[in-house]
Amino acid sequence: KAGVTQTPRYLIKTRGQQVTLSCSPISGHRSVSWYQQTPGQGLQFLFEYFSETQRNKGNFPGRFSGRQFSNSRSEMNVSTLELGDSALYLCASSLGDRGFSGYTFGSGTRLTVV
Amino acid sequence: GIQVEQSPPDLILQEGANSTLRCNFSDSVNNLQWFHQNPWGQLINLFYIPSGTKQNGRLSATTVATERYSLLYISSSQTTDSGVYFCAVEPAYSGAGSYQLTFGKGTKLSVIP
Repeated sequence: KAGVTQTPRYLIKTRGQQVTLSCSPISGHRSVSWYQQTPGQGLQFLFEYFSETQRNKGNFPGRFSGRQFSNSRSEMNVSTLELGDSALYLCASSLGDRGFSGYTFGSGTRLTVV
Repeated sequence: GIQVEQSPPDLILQEGANSTLRCNFSDSVNNLQWFHQNPWGQLINLFYIPSGTKQNGRLSATTVATERYSLLYISSSQTTDSGVYFCAVEPAYSGAGSYQLTFGKGTKLSVIP
């Protein structure tokens, strides 16, 4: 079956703009999580959605937001981009409840803010 | 929050050598996974192993949850094993998951021919 699909793979934005990233989970998975990876901070949790509800949120400013649709696809949005938002953004999917057997990650979106 | 420490931070091996990577964590966990990050950034799931021992080819992993550590064994290493290996845990709160992974800083493995 298809894996976790993230689009776009690469993105270059200007400071002050906003950006939307997309993640389609593995078929049948109802949980989608987002992570940010930077050389300085490593991999940090952004938020997790299950059946269109945010169940947990990491310690990021309100400029970072997300949502999940009824087909489990998720989007994350970053408004008023800052240079420090340049990072690899990774999405993970899981069953989210009964039968949980770990998280599967997508290939990521590499965001560069100039 | 939960702390995850990986050792060693860097490891250089001759092709064919064996290695052991360690992950210590500071609290009870519902989930522990080992990942290999490839040069393009994707995290490849190696093991979902909150407890016990698993093997997959040249790789095996053991988690001793009561002592709060996990080990990843790589035998007969190959150049394609190079990359960064991450341990990630999901803390247990009141018996339920927290729905987030906390990652260690990783072990950077370089396998030279």
